[in-house]
This record gives sequence, structure tokens and C-alpha cells, in this order.
Amino acid sequence: GQNIDQPTEMTATEGAIVQINCTYQTSGFNGLFWYQQHAGEAPTFLSYNVLDGLEEKGRFSSFLSRSKGYSYLLLKELQMKDSASYLCAVNSGGYQKVTFGTGTKLQVIP
Amino acid sequence: DTAVSQTPKYLVTQMGNDKSIKCEQNLGHDTMYWYKQDSKKFLKIMFSYNNKELIINETVPNRFSPKSPDKAHLNLHINSLELGDSAVYFCASSQSMASPEQFFGPGTRLTVL
Repeated sequence: GQNIDQPTEMTATEGAIVQINCTYQTSGFNGLFWYQQHAGEAPTFLSYNVLDGLEEKGRFSSFLSRSKGYSYLLLKELQMKDSASYLCAVNSGGYQKVTFGTGTKLQVIP
Repeated sequence: DTAVSQTPKYLVTQMGNDKSIKCEQNLGHDTMYWYKQDSKKFLKIMFSYNNKELIINETVPNRFSPKSPDKAHLNLHINSLELGDSAVYFCASSQSMASPEQFFGPGTRLTVL
């Protein structure tokens, strides 16, 4: 089976940096996603990490350590519009099955 | 020019009824998915299709029957609806099974009374 853990809720201040952690246990690991989901909307793709290390994309960066079963999403220069749920998801198996964590609800406060 | 569209957006129905949700993508993708997101916001894969062929069926009750008439469409038919079926259902597509990025539709909020 698969197990994906991430904090349920986080609060951070506008302009600050926040790190959202995700740990996972799986077999046949292919890669790890981060998606953003605003309330009442569909998830939108942020990043996909296959190899270990940090990948930066504008204000968002995603890190992966396959040996530790660990990833984080780093959001810099937080804006109010970053208030959303952030979903960690693992791609595994030959059929590229994607399993989502329960998501971290981030609230950005002034 | 919506990439992945679903109809209807909202669906309210009585227990025991049969209903369908339609999904279409105009991205030319080969692979399509159905996800269920429950009241706790947990997003779970139900089915995936690649070029109209069923690839993943995640132990979903057989009251749920996906149908893919062509690779641009993946419809979901639900028989004998139950209270526990109330959720938001998302359709998604990706370029191929090997392509990581999935594009999600706007979701269909199903409420079973």
C-alpha cells in the first residue's frame, strides 16, 4: 500500500517563506507531484520531481529525497492569493498510478 | 476553449437514481482519469483510461461504470446512487500514461439526498 503524510493546516505571513513537508512510503516510485487547489476549484499542477534535489520555478521550489521518502514545497514571497490547499501526490507502478495525500491547507495572513 | 470540461457542474439527486457525468478534453491527450474528492478534501483516483482502454480501476463499486467512446471523452455513469456517493468528481487528462502533468476539469459536485 501507500502512505502519504503532510500537515493538515499551516499559517504564514504575507511576504514570508513557508515550507510544506510531505513524507511517503510506496513501492515502484516514479515521481512526486505538488498541486495547488483553491477552495471550490480544480487542482492545478505546480511541480513534478523524479530525481533527488531541488527544482525551482519562480517563487515555488520543490525538493525530493527518494532515499528518505521526503519532499517539500517551498513558497517564497508569500502573497494572499497563495492561500490554498497544497496536495502532495506520488506516481508509482507501471501504470503510473497517482495517489494523493490529504493536502495542506495554507492560510496567508497580512 | 476550455481544455477539460465536465457537465453538469452541480448535480442534486435522490438516493437510488441513476446519473451520468460527462467529460471532454480538447488537448489531444491519450489518457483520461476520474477522481473523487470527499468532504474531507481527500482526492482519490477511481479510473484511468488510455486510448479508450481501461488501465486503472481502483476497487470502485460496480455501480460506477466509466465509458470512453473516443479518447477525447470519458463519461461516468453511476447506478443506484447512495448517500456516500456525495462528493466532487474531477475528470483529468494527461498527454500519455508516461506524462506526469494532469490537467483537471472544473469538477462536478454531486449531492445525493
